[in-house]
Amino acid sequence: RKEVEQDPGPFNVPEGATVAFNCTYSNSASQSFFWYRQDCRKEPKLLMSVYSSGNEDGRFTAQLNRASQYISLLIRDSKLSDSATYLCVVKPGGSYIPTFGRGTSLIVHP
Amino acid sequence: GAGVSQSPSNKVTEKGKDVELRCDPISGHTALYWYRQSLGQGLEFLIYFQGNSAPDKSGLPSDRFSAERTGGSVSTLTIQRTQQEDSAVYLCASILAGGDYEQYFGPGTRLTVT
Repeated sequence: RKEVEQDPGPFNVPEGATVAFNCTYSNSASQSFFWYRQDCRKEPKLLMSVYSSGNEDGRFTAQLNRASQYISLLIRDSKLSDSATYLCVVKPGGSYIPTFGRGTSLIVHP
Repeated sequence: GAGVSQSPSNKVTEKGKDVELRCDPISGHTALYWYRQSLGQGLEFLIYFQGNSAPDKSGLPSDRFSAERTGGSVSTLTIQRTQQEDSAVYLCASILAGGDYEQYFGPGTRLTVT
């Protein structure tokens, strides 16, 4: 089992749709969780950290389920500009080395 | 302010040649990562530098790969005797300090070994 698994997609949704991605992780010692966004042929950029209590930033909501070892990202009212690959990042406690998932591709169409 | 810069942006080299990739982190950031990303793959950790501590080289795939960070700032990743499987985008990221701070990535160097 891979350390961090994501559905590669692509998720093809119309503008205005709500879409959700999950990411599962295998290391129960994981303590830090992030979602990064990567546009085509560009570098990854931090979208949001994922806190135990869940957190929201505008149209984006991230949640953590430690019991089932997954994190999720919900995007409401999708925009064309949301089209990108979303990378799940997990880091064990006491380690400086994160593990990146392969990413989930989102395509938002008019 | 200035972000992370990497050079060259693209490098085409013949199999067996050595290449050197450069990363200029954000000023004041004490920690630096190197990753590589192959087509359709996630980011693969290569090496981590934190301040003056010994680097974590646990991700380097072979002894053909090495990296150094001079003066706690600029870093170079060297690949000796390149192989075709080394073809990938090599990304550098700097963070303010070790821990859960945001990683700021450079634009990457796209390496093609022919």
